[in-house]
Amino acid sequence: AQSVSQHNHHVILSEAASLELGCNYSYGGTVNLFWYVQYPGQHLQLLLKYFSGDPLVKGIKGFEAEFIKSKFSFNLRKPSVQWSDTAEYFCAVTSSGSARQLTFGSGTQLTVLP
Amino acid sequence: DSGVTQTPKHLITATGQRVTLRCSPRSGDLSVYWYQQSLDQGLQFLIQYYNGEERAKGNILERFSAQQFPDLHSELNLSSLELGDSALYFCASSVGPTGGLSGANVLTFGAGSRLTVL
Repeated sequence: AQSVSQHNHHVILSEAASLELGCNYSYGGTVNLFWYVQYPGQHLQLLLKYFSGDPLVKGIKGFEAEFIKSKFSFNLRKPSVQWSDTAEYFCAVTSSGSARQLTFGSGTQLTVLP
Repeated sequence: DSGVTQTPKHLITATGQRVTLRCSPRSGDLSVYWYQQSLDQGLQFLIQYYNGEERAKGNILERFSAQQFPDLHSELNLSSLELGDSALYFCASSVGPTGGLSGANVLTFGAGSRLTVL
């Protein structure tokens, strides 16, 4: 079964610091990868997605992620975070295999200090 | 507003009771997915319906059931509630039956229903 690991449970940064959140998945076949963000009290919103092509994917609000197939990773990055980026971030994967459903990681809570 | 509507937003009930959570998908979306978010389990896929038919089943307990109606709204029924059922229940929708497997079929989530079982 596919699984997703987010090793950072809580990250605290100061404004303007650079961000990298780790995401590793276990499925070895063709995968589609996503990052969702959940602001306090709000619904999950799609930040970016990777289906094929350029492994460096740019999303909304200045976020980007790089798919490294050899490392089974899809890390989320942002060069300079803002206080408004405080939220929980979820990595998710679907595959064309038997699982098919969107499988989420456990989430990383990002707190940005002003 | 994502276009996916969930009611109620908050629900407090007692153990042994039964509750129904409702979800209206985004206009034009035929698939509805239910997810449970708890502190210890994270976001777990429960069940998916596509155009009224059950499409996929995940980690859904036998005490839980769901259905999708002809107008495409869905209800998740939780019965014989236990303390451990306290969680945030998300509904999501997508256009087609294979959510997340194509660029045009990304899941859109609602704001969730927070269930507290006392």
